[in-house]
Amino acid sequence: DAGVIQSPRHEVTEMGQEVTLRCKPISGHNSLFWYRQTMMRGLELLIYFNNNVPIDDSGMPEDRFSAKMPNASFSTLKIQPSEPRDSAVYFCASNQGLNTEAFFGQGTRLTVV
Amino acid sequence: AQKVTQAQTEISVVEKEDVTLDCVYETRDTTYYLFWYKQPPSGELVFLIRRNSFDEQNEISGRYSWNFQKSTSSFNFTITASQVVDSAVYFCALSGYGQNFVFGPGTRLSVLP
Repeated sequence: DAGVIQSPRHEVTEMGQEVTLRCKPISGHNSLFWYRQTMMRGLELLIYFNNNVPIDDSGMPEDRFSAKMPNASFSTLKIQPSEPRDSAVYFCASNQGLNTEAFFGQGTRLTVV
Repeated sequence: AQKVTQAQTEISVVEKEDVTLDCVYETRDTTYYLFWYKQPPSGELVFLIRRNSFDEQNEISGRYSWNFQKSTSSFNFTITASQVVDSAVYFCALSGYGQNFVFGPGTRLSVLP
């Protein structure tokens, strides 16, 4: 199994631009999580899906952030417009649900200048 | 609400010393799961262990051991005979009925040669 795959690995963009982060979960996993990691705030859960349905998006910082999971093998996290304070490492993770261990992708390091 | 506290921000030890990383959690769920993850300098998050709330048996895996005490809401992690390769940030996490994963702030462990 290839594990959770995130793309791109690094993204540098200018303030105001739209950014789309992508995630392919492990095949057979039915829950998917998006996290943001910063030095100041640690690992924050932004949103998670179960069977492609968003269950809890209370961690999404503001309306500029949106996430979709159109099918079981793909999810996106979009920031529009991006701001410098969005600079962070964004992780996607998946699990088989039922509180099983989550497996993480390599992360996307986003820099907004 | 669920919360995970890791009071030790940073720990430094000399190689071959034993070290214990503390984790205290809060939840109102009667069934919940606890996890430890390792984040080495390369940045990926590596799953170490999963424990459910009904299993208070201590667990040992090589140089790693975990002590779960429900009475004190703690799930501590001990590394015996630490090695330089153990240097990383270690996260404790909690998942309950909502099946979301809440992470603690992490403890940065430095093992000096």
